[in-house]
Amino acid sequence: SAVISQKPSRDICQRGTSLTIQCQVDSQVTMMFWYRQQPGQSLTLIATANQGSEATYESGFVIDKFPISRPNLTFSTLTVSNMSPEDSSIYLCSGGLAGGTGELFFGEGSRLTVL
Amino acid sequence: DAKTTQPTSMDCAEGRAANLPCNHSTISGNEYVYWYRQIHSQGPQYIIHGLKNNETNEMASLIITEDRKSSTLILPHATLRDTAVYYCIVRVYSGGGADGLTFGKGTHLIIQP
Repeated sequence: SAVISQKPSRDICQRGTSLTIQCQVDSQVTMMFWYRQQPGQSLTLIATANQGSEATYESGFVIDKFPISRPNLTFSTLTVSNMSPEDSSIYLCSGGLAGGTGELFFGEGSRLTVL
Repeated sequence: DAKTTQPTSMDCAEGRAANLPCNHSTISGNEYVYWYRQIHSQGPQYIIHGLKNNETNEMASLIITEDRKSSTLILPHATLRDTAVYYCIVRVYSGGGADGLTFGKGTHLIIQP
């Protein structure tokens, strides 16, 4: 299994600012992903964080708005840029182990409120 | 990945078995059925998965119909802590590394005391 830690767990931000969320995994994972969960909704995949290369974004999400880094196998960051109240959501990091059963492990999420 | 259909919500009495259905009539031969749950204010948690045989672990049992078009997750003795949103997800898994999951709306299971 893998334990995934996210920082910050929650934050309140002003419109127009940017916030970077960190994700640390306690073991090497093959894949890392970032999800968004808007209030009362299910999870939506934002992007796959690729080690040493640009992230792969899902439809509706762009790099300028959600830049992602993954410098090594156990760490990734997601930045929410030029925030608006519509960006108020929980952002979750997840990871999967190579050769495992295909299960993904999730962090507890970072709850972001934009005023 | 194939689409799944789940009831929006279900109630179950504490101590009884909770049976959560999932319809995945368009599932293809190489797609697995995964179940996750999300307890309020927590990240999703993996429960169980299967291809075509029934599976059991310490958390739950997964029953997949012979035609694989539907499945049922069984929590044998539900407790109040099992109150959560349960997601049934169908996806291909090649073994080389996990792919991103596509979450539907899930079933909100409420365990009643």
